Amino acid sequence: GAVVSQHPSRVICKSGTSVKIECRSLDFQATTMFWYRQFPKQSLMLMATSNEGSKATYEQGVEKDKFLINHASLTLSTLTVTSAHPEDSSFYICSAEQGRDSPLHFGNGTRLTVT
Amino acid sequence: KQEVTQIPAALSVPEGENLVLNCSFTDSAIYNLQWFRQDPGKGLTSLLLIQSSQREQTSGRLNASLDKSSGRSTLYIAASQPGDSATYLCAVRGDGGATNKLIFGTGTLLAVQP
Repeated sequence: GAVVSQHPSRVICKSGTSVKIECRSLDFQATTMFWYRQFPKQSLMLMATSNEGSKATYEQGVEKDKFLINHASLTLSTLTVTSAHPEDSSFYICSAEQGRDSPLHFGNGTRLTVT
Repeated sequence: KQEVTQIPAALSVPEGENLVLNCSFTDSAIYNLQWFRQDPGKGLTSLLLIQSSQREQTSGRLNASLDKSSGRSTLYIAASQPGDSATYLCAVRGDGGATNKLIFGTGTLLAVQP
């Protein structure tokens, strides 16, 4: 089946630093990738939608200058949390799809802790 | 605005029982609906995808139904096993344009007791 690889799985960083999270579709070309954030015991909150070669579409309330998304190719999207603060600590999950008629495939998530 | 609700929020059953998880959505103009499972600290695994024109999909012990007009979907798990313990999420995709993104329900936390 389709595999989405997300790295790193865990990262601890100091306040003020930036963190990059990678999301790769290993065996298919992803027309669209999505980035979610999940708080403990809550459902997924969509942050942004990215299409290869174009700017990401951010959801209302998500700061695009803080959460930089680059969708460089049909198999790679990156999320950079810039100038991270403790309130950015969360579980970030990416997903990818080949088209809207296909299932959405998820990475295993990244646990970000900002100290 | 589409809202997706899942009931119950949590469920505990003994091993071997058949069970039903419910998902309801407020806007029936959907393109498709997906069921996922999420294990603690992990991403989501796609279980079943139902297109808006379909009534049900089956995979092994899982059967998902869709009643688009009433805004409901159910996930039926037969002969439950401890390995089925996880959070189950449904998500609906809007019918085109700005509503192309998936809207997730709040999930049902399932515990199957051995």
